Amino acid sequence: DAGVIQSPRHEVTEMGQEVTLRCKPISGHNSLFWYRQTMMRGLELLIYFNNNVPIDDSGMPEDRFSAKMPNASFSTLKIQPSEPRDSAVYFCASSRLAGRADTQYFGPGTRLTVL
Amino acid sequence: DAKTTQPPSMDCAEGRAANLPCNHSTISGNEYVYWYRQIHSQGPQYIIHGLKNNETNEMASLIITEDRKSSTLILPHATLRDTAVYYCIVRVATGNTGNQFYFGTGTSLTVIP
Repeated sequence: DAGVIQSPRHEVTEMGQEVTLRCKPISGHNSLFWYRQTMMRGLELLIYFNNNVPIDDSGMPEDRFSAKMPNASFSTLKIQPSEPRDSAVYFCASSRLAGRADTQYFGPGTRLTVL
Repeated sequence: DAKTTQPPSMDCAEGRAANLPCNHSTISGNEYVYWYRQIHSQGPQYIIHGLKNNETNEMASLIITEDRKSSTLILPHATLRDTAVYYCIVRVATGNTGNQFYFGTGTSLTVIP
């Protein structure tokens, strides 16, 4: 299995620029999660999708953040405009939908630096 | 979801068993206990999970007390590569409404040569 794939692995951008993070979940998984990790706040859930539908976006910090899942094999997290405080590692995870076999599998993360 | 309490850090000698405790005194009957670990700069890695019974896999064993208010993750023969932050999470099996995990601060385990 390829596992969860994220791109880019590292992103450095300037304040005010648009940033798009990408995620390909494990084939056959129906749930997808976006997390953010910082030293101050630890690992936070931003949003998750079931069957491509956003279920809970209460963790999205501001309107500058948006996420989409146009199909079962692709999701994006967009920040526009970006700010230095958005610097963090962003993880994508996927799982099968509900039931006992719904362990979340994480990607390697995207390290975002906003200057 | 129930909250968990873990010691912030622990040390373990290489080759010895590492026993990582977790308190989840407000756990409900349908909440699973999950353990993940995160090695520096990598994505969290699934270790094991359980509901009531003790569980064992190739990585670790999970011991859940009879009242389910606490659990212990056991790494039987710790190696230097087991140095990581270990997260204990309780999760509700909610059918189709979602599988949210809430990561706390975890336990930073250092395996000492």
